[in-house]
Amino acid sequence: GAGVSQSPSNKVTEKGKDVELRCDPISGHTALYWYRQSLGQGLEFLIYFQGNSAPDKSGLPSDRFSAERTGGSVSTLTIQRTQQEDSAVYLCASSLLDNYEQYFGPGTRLTVT
Amino acid sequence: GNSVTQMEGPVTLSEEAFLTINCTYTATGYPSLFWYVQYPGEGLQLLLKATKADDKGSNKGFEATYRKETTSFHLEKGSVQVSDSAVYFCALRYSSASKIIFGSGTRLSIRP
Repeated sequence: GAGVSQSPSNKVTEKGKDVELRCDPISGHTALYWYRQSLGQGLEFLIYFQGNSAPDKSGLPSDRFSAERTGGSVSTLTIQRTQQEDSAVYLCASSLLDNYEQYFGPGTRLTVT
Repeated sequence: GNSVTQMEGPVTLSEEAFLTINCTYTATGYPSLFWYVQYPGEGLQLLLKATKADDKGSNKGFEATYRKETTSFHLEKGSVQVSDSAVYFCALRYSSASKIIFGSGTRLSIRP
């Protein structure tokens, strides 16, 4: 079946602009995660959604970052007033339930110029 | 805090060589340990895992043993192939938590 998909695959934006990154999880997966992969920082957790529970936002680096998940499916990660240090690959993952294997999407490469 | 440290790359080996990628962790309690692999142009995939001390995870000829006494989870393969060229991430996760804590990744290149 279809895996986790993310769009766009690449995004180049100017410093100060807002960007939206989209994640379509595997159908039926109730848990959804966002991670960021940047040079020198490795992979870091950003935010987690599980069903109708309040999301775990403990990994968001600043209040410029926010995410929502509509209808328990698609998720959007929004970065406001982008900075050059936001340049990274943003990965989305989903799992059937919390604590099950996470399946990762191909990522969105964000470049802030 | 909890963290994962793995050997820095890049690692370059000849085909059929023996591979070891070191991974150690710092954590309280007993996390589950994982190796993920990212092939060129593809998303992260779970390679293997171990959920308790002395467990050995294995897949595609790769193995790693959960060593509580040395807080390590080194990845090994007896004979690597060109197709094993990828970035490998060591990671940990607590059963009570949702997020995975990743190491910085090790890029492996296998030459024919």
